[in-house]
Amino acid sequence: QKEVEQNSGPLSVPEGAIASLNCTYSDRVSQSFFWYRQYSGKSPELIMSIYSNGDKEDGRFTAQLNKASQYVSLLIRDSQPSDSATYLCAVNMGRGSQGNLIFGKGTKLSVKP
Amino acid sequence: GAVVSQHPSRVICKSGTSVKIECRSLDFQATTMFWYRQFPKQSLMLMATSNEGSKATYEQGVEKDKFLINHASLTLSTLTVTSAHPEDSSFYICSAPTGTGGREQYFGPGTRLTVT
Repeated sequence: QKEVEQNSGPLSVPEGAIASLNCTYSDRVSQSFFWYRQYSGKSPELIMSIYSNGDKEDGRFTAQLNKASQYVSLLIRDSQPSDSATYLCAVNMGRGSQGNLIFGKGTKLSVKP
Repeated sequence: GAVVSQHPSRVICKSGTSVKIECRSLDFQATTMFWYRQFPKQSLMLMATSNEGSKATYEQGVEKDKFLINHASLTLSTLTVTSAHPEDSSFYICSAPTGTGGREQYFGPGTRLTVT
């Protein structure tokens, strides 16, 4: 069964620190990887996508992908209380580019002022 | 990012009634849309893939006769929960792929269904 695993947390970091969120996936042929942020009671919001090995930076967010280790991570620099949310790792394991996403159960991040 | 809307945002209905949820892509066309369900403190579970002009593809364990999907146009997909029961109470979210190669999925704001 194709799976995406995340540490459920909660992960608590002080304001200004770096938050590190990790995700592993089971399907070696997966090609597309995403991080979504979900505030309580709201729908997921896409914050990062990554398709090739290495790092991808966007503002305070950096996604890291290692296909050999089947591992993807998200770093949040200078964490703010507004970053407190559940972060969902998602992997496209479908057929073709529009295949469905498999989600991890999410890591709850709490940034303390 | 792309904008996907859903209506209604919240609905309360009596057991045995049917509820229709609409999902619209506002600034792009979507030949495919996805319907997810999320129970409290759980992750999103894909229910079905909605295909414009053809039948939806349902995930294992999802009753196609209970969750009717219609994708009549390139910007609208509807999910009808028929004969709803309290166990159908959940957060229903649609998404549509767009971006380069259609790999990125953008979610609607979700519909919270409560069946009494």
